[in-house]
Amino acid sequence: EPEVTQTPSHQVTQMGQEVILRCVPISNHLYFYWYRQILGQKVEFLVSFYNNEISEKSEIFDDQFSVERPDGSNFTLKIRSTKLEDSAMYFCASSAQQPAEQYFGPGTRLTVT
Amino acid sequence: GDSVTQMEGPVTLSEEAFLTINCTYTATGYPSLFWYVQYPGEGLQLLLKATKADDKGSNKGFEATYRKETTSFHLEKGSVQVSDSAVYFCALSDQNRGSTLGRLYFGRGTQLTVWP
Repeated sequence: EPEVTQTPSHQVTQMGQEVILRCVPISNHLYFYWYRQILGQKVEFLVSFYNNEISEKSEIFDDQFSVERPDGSNFTLKIRSTKLEDSAMYFCASSAQQPAEQYFGPGTRLTVT
Repeated sequence: GDSVTQMEGPVTLSEEAFLTINCTYTATGYPSLFWYVQYPGEGLQLLLKATKADDKGSNKGFEATYRKETTSFHLEKGSVQVSDSAVYFCALSDQNRGSTLGRLYFGRGTQLTVWP
């Protein structure tokens, strides 16, 4: 069964460093998402992406964040200068159409020290 | 704004016990409602969904009914198994807000542990 994959599973970085979280969505899907979950808090929407552009972003998704689909298979989330409060589990999701089920990856745990 | 309030956990049950996890929502439009499950080390998986009032979603023995009058979507299972141990998330997607790409609003998640 096709699945969304994410790498790495765990990333540790120092405050102020740039990180790139990688996702490979399901191959025929067209809609892509990033969510995050800070420990003990809700899963929060960050951004949705369709047709090579951002469709919607939350108030969390400020200028420090960017997304890209560089090669037709990967979907990346970049945090330009990490802060302690960026420590969270980051989930990538994709769907074939809207409205439709979103398929989630296993997540990347980001720890900022 | 849109939000989901979910019963806090953890919930610990014996095998074959009855499960209820409460979920209520606030939405400006006509949301679709979902339950997702996360098994250890895995991603969020859709468990069931309901797209309009009075719909009942069901899967793997779990059920939830979309109640517009009480703005609720409680998850139930008549007889839980050890293999049901996981984190359960209630979520909504409010298509009519103009967010046409199905942004999901999640509850905090409820950890369920089932003992043999």
